[in-house]
Amino acid sequence: EAQVTQNPRYLITVTGKKLTVTCSQNMNHEYMSWYRQDPGLGLRQIYYSMNVEVTDKGDVPEGYKVSRKEKRNFPLILESPSPNQTSLYFCASKPIISGANVLTFGAGSRLTVL
Amino acid sequence: KQEVTQIPAALSVPEGENLVLNCSFTDSAIYNLQWFRQDPGKGLTSLLLIQSSQREQTSGRLNASLDKSSGRSTLYIAASQPGDSATYLCAVPKMNRDDKIIFGKGTRLHILP
Repeated sequence: EAQVTQNPRYLITVTGKKLTVTCSQNMNHEYMSWYRQDPGLGLRQIYYSMNVEVTDKGDVPEGYKVSRKEKRNFPLILESPSPNQTSLYFCASKPIISGANVLTFGAGSRLTVL
Repeated sequence: KQEVTQIPAALSVPEGENLVLNCSFTDSAIYNLQWFRQDPGKGLTSLLLIQSSQREQTSGRLNASLDKSSGRSTLYIAASQPGDSATYLCAVPKMNRDDKIIFGKGTRLHILP
């Protein structure tokens, strides 16, 4: 089944404890992106990647890092999480082909930072 | 700067009625527009994607239209069902780039049985 898989789905952590949220897609998509969703603010783009070893900042990149060493994986790293990073996180991917660039989302990862 | 607005934020409609959800965007030079559905606590599911050269797209009971010149898109749902209850979001690329994508805050739809 074609899908985007995120792990963990739920995580409670404490301020300053480094964590990684993994994202993997099995559709051979070039493009991958991370979003966070907060009440009243909607979905905001954190980072995205157009292909292996190519990453760029979205609208809210502060406090996050990403890497794209393999085409299928795009982990989101919080080096020193803070309570304002408590949010629902989504990973998404799509092909970079004209006319077929439908975004496919993962199920989400709910992160709480105490 | 591209901004995407969805009004109303919430809508309740009796089952069986046809309804229209609205999406407006400030920069008409868009690459495409996509409509999504999100169930509570779940991920987003793509419903329809309209390329900039298209005027509308249809999938089952759903029809999405695009008017670039006026900066508007509508999602028409025919013969609404309780299972249509969800939040509907539209998304457009920022500054006519397909990499940075801006989402509206969504319309929360409740179909009354």
